[in-house]
Order: sequence, then structure tokens, then C-alpha cells
Amino acid sequence: GEDVEQSLFLSVREGDSSVINCTYTDSSSTYLYWYKQEPGAGLQLLTYIFSNMDMKQDQRLTVLLNKKDKHLSLRIADTQTGDSAIYFCAENEGAGSYQLTFGKGTKLSVIP
Amino acid sequence: NAGVTQTPKFQVLKTGQSMTLQCAQDMNHEYMSWYRQDPGMGLRLIHYSVGAGITDQGEVPNGYNVSRSTTEDFPLRLLSAAPSQTSVYFCASSYYEGFAKNGYTFGSGTRLTVV
Repeated sequence: GEDVEQSLFLSVREGDSSVINCTYTDSSSTYLYWYKQEPGAGLQLLTYIFSNMDMKQDQRLTVLLNKKDKHLSLRIADTQTGDSAIYFCAENEGAGSYQLTFGKGTKLSVIP
Repeated sequence: NAGVTQTPKFQVLKTGQSMTLQCAQDMNHEYMSWYRQDPGMGLRLIHYSVGAGITDQGEVPNGYNVSRSTTEDFPLRLLSAAPSQTSVYFCASSYYEGFAKNGYTFGSGTRLTVV
């Protein structure tokens, strides 16, 4: 079955870059997502990437996709204290599927 | 446009009690789902619906019922609450068209404690 793996914790200093990594198993996934969850809140979509792309940049966010290794990463440049949150990687369960499988989430702590 | 609204935000139940968690969306989304979030477990799918009158089970459906009588509402019923159902519950919805770019819209969650 589908599985999405993430490390549980990451700590960075304010102003540094953060890199959050994710591996997935479903090679038929067509979309991959990064969601952000702030304390006490629901998940918000940060960005997405299609499986036929290698990279996507959106302001401070860069998403890299290595399809061969089934590895997805989210880089946050110039990390701020407001970036402290849990970040979830998610994949859809094959072409045409509307089901998403989520990783367990990476808690990013930004040290001032 | 309120998005996905979940009520209540907090609830304490005694073991054996029943209750309904409400979820409503005003975006005319076809797809709706319920997840529970537990520490170290991430998000686990409980039930989902692809349209009014259609529901199906997810990964952890035991102890929960759902119905989808309208496009807007997707309530989650706990039949006989157990301490193992202590969790944060999230409702999510999406369009089919535009799903790729928009993914799911989540509610703000219901924090349930069963004592």
C-alpha cells in the first residue's frame, strides 16, 4: 500500500534555510503536496508539484522532486519564527484519485 | 464564504456516550472526508464521501458512522465513545475539478477528550 515517510523533528536558526524531506512509495502518484499546520489550527495547502516536474519555486519555497528515488523535499529560505509549524507531505493515490495519503508530519522549530 | 466549518471546537465525553461532530462547507465541494490526528500517527482517514448519498470507509472506521444527505454537510457520529477515540478530528473537502492545484480544504478541527 501507499506510504509516506518524514522525519518527525527539525530545528533551525532564524535566517537559515530549512529543508524538510519526504519519501513516498506510490510511483503512480500524479500530484504531491506540502501542507502547513500551525498550533491549534487545521492544515493549509502550501504548495504542490506535478509528478512530471522536477522543481517548483514559489517565493521562499522551493520544492524538489526526485522521481527515481521517490523523494520530495521542501526548502524554506530565510526561515522565520512564523514558519514554526508542522509540515505534512502528501501524495494522491494514483492518476485520477482524489484520496491523499499523508506523512506523519515534520515539526519545524525556528530558534530566534 | 466560510470554507469548512467544524463544530464544536472542544468536547469532553464520558465513556459510552454518543455524539455528533458537525462539518459543513459552503464551496459546493463534491468530496468530503474525516481524519483523526494523533501524536506520532499523523492523519488517518476515518470515512469519506464522493457526493451526496455516497459514503465509504477509510483506514480507521470502527466506532464511527457518517452520512451525506446534502452536498454541504458531512456529520461524524461516535456511537459509544471510548478513551481510544480521544483525538483531534479534521474535516476536509475538495472539488474534483481543480483538485490537482487545490488539494483539500481543511476545517480548524474538533479536539475530543473521552474520559
